[in-house]
Amino acid sequence: EIVLTQSPTTMAASPGEKVTLTCLASSSVNYIYWYQQKSSASPKLLIYYTSSLASGVPDRFSGSGSGTSYSLTISSMEAEDAAIYYCLQLTSTPLTFGSGTKLEIK
Amino acid sequence: QVQLKESGPGLVQPSQTLSLTCTVSGLSLTSNSVSWIRQPPGKGLEWMGVIWSNGGTDYNSAIKSRLSISRDTSKSQVFLKMNSLQTEDTAMYFCARGAPFDYWGQGVMVTVSS
Repeated sequence: EIVLTQSPTTMAASPGEKVTLTCLASSSVNYIYWYQQKSSASPKLLIYYTSSLASGVPDRFSGSGSGTSYSLTISSMEAEDAAIYYCLQLTSTPLTFGSGTKLEIK
Repeated sequence: QVQLKESGPGLVQPSQTLSLTCTVSGLSLTSNSVSWIRQPPGKGLEWMGVIWSNGGTDYNSAIKSRLSISRDTSKSQVFLKMNSLQTEDTAMYFCARGAPFDYWGQGVMVTVSS
């Protein structure tokens, strides 16, 4: 099973601040996918194939990485970006999610 | 538009079997896979299993012995059955399209309690 480790676990950012979230895989994966979840709502796909922006997602979000190290960047934090972010790997079953990063607004 | 909606009992007794239904619209089950994903209260996401467009299935090995996913393409429904439920199975249960999961249902909360 591929384990995805996200860091930090929790962080707070000020409006306008640049934010970088990390996802490390225990084995090399082909791509990473990023989701945003607010409250108890269904997760929303933000990034697919590591760096492609899902439909309707603001372009302040971006993804990068390869092999075992991946990141999600918010170029300029906004209040509406406060949420929990999860990474996902589809390279091998069982499909696995990271444990999440809780991002708060200062 | 693509929609998925989960339905099922909100309360299940320990050791009993959970049966959930995911009803889809705006997509064909013979062209799309559907996964079940769950989330215990205050915790992260766990992929449970998938039924592929060809009807094949894959399950999370952690729960494989207790889980079954099937479908009725004529009714646009995907079914989850999981037996021997315990309190740690209390969670929000989601169905989602494809891989990656680009469309999700709203989820159904299942509580395992006597």
